[in-house]
Amino acid sequence: DAKTTQPNSMESNEEEPVHLPCNHSTISGTDYIHWYRQLPSQGPEYVIHGLTSNVNNRMASLAIAEDRKSSTLILHRATLRDAAVYYCILRGANFGNEKLTFGTGTRLTIIP
Amino acid sequence: GAVVSQHPSRVICKSGTSVKIECRSLDFQATTMFWYRQFPKQSLMLMATSNEGSKATYEQGVEKDKFLINHASLTLSTLTVTSAHPEDSSFYICSARGSSTFIAKNIQYFGAGTRLSVL
Repeated sequence: DAKTTQPNSMESNEEEPVHLPCNHSTISGTDYIHWYRQLPSQGPEYVIHGLTSNVNNRMASLAIAEDRKSSTLILHRATLRDAAVYYCILRGANFGNEKLTFGTGTRLTIIP
Repeated sequence: GAVVSQHPSRVICKSGTSVKIECRSLDFQATTMFWYRQFPKQSLMLMATSNEGSKATYEQGVEKDKFLINHASLTLSTLTVTSAHPEDSSFYICSARGSSTFIAKNIQYFGAGTRLSVL
């Protein structure tokens, strides 16, 4: 499986934007970039995913580098409820028994 | 969004007993379900993948006779931890993915997890 590299932890002030980086230099041409987050004592929650173009949804934006070797998850205005571990995961394109391989993620702390 | 219900949320049992955890997709048909385990301060580790009506595929190092998985319907999968021991104490999480015709087929939806404590 292609691997991703994320900082272990980040801090951000409440109500400010947060940029969470992810490096995936060995990404293949058909790998999707997925982001999930896990709040304390809960199961992971889907955030966003993309292939080549930048993506926006109600939770966040995903900026994908032109060479696809890195991406950035953007939370436009962090709240205390965004404090979680954020996982950047590569997932193959073929629909089948593909699985998500979780790394250590980035623990995001929001400062009030 | 799609909802996955996992039950129970917490269970405490004596060593040697078996524990069953249920995972249900509430508003979609889940052709594939996944079971993960997470130890404190660690990431999620995939234990097995199950497709409805067929045997589960276990990850290397996961004992299939100890962690029995049943995926008898498109909305229900169960994980039974047989003869549980203290080292099996962990946070167990299921996830489900819809069929190829599901609008969000590329997304896995996770349950809230089950915290198992074996005394």
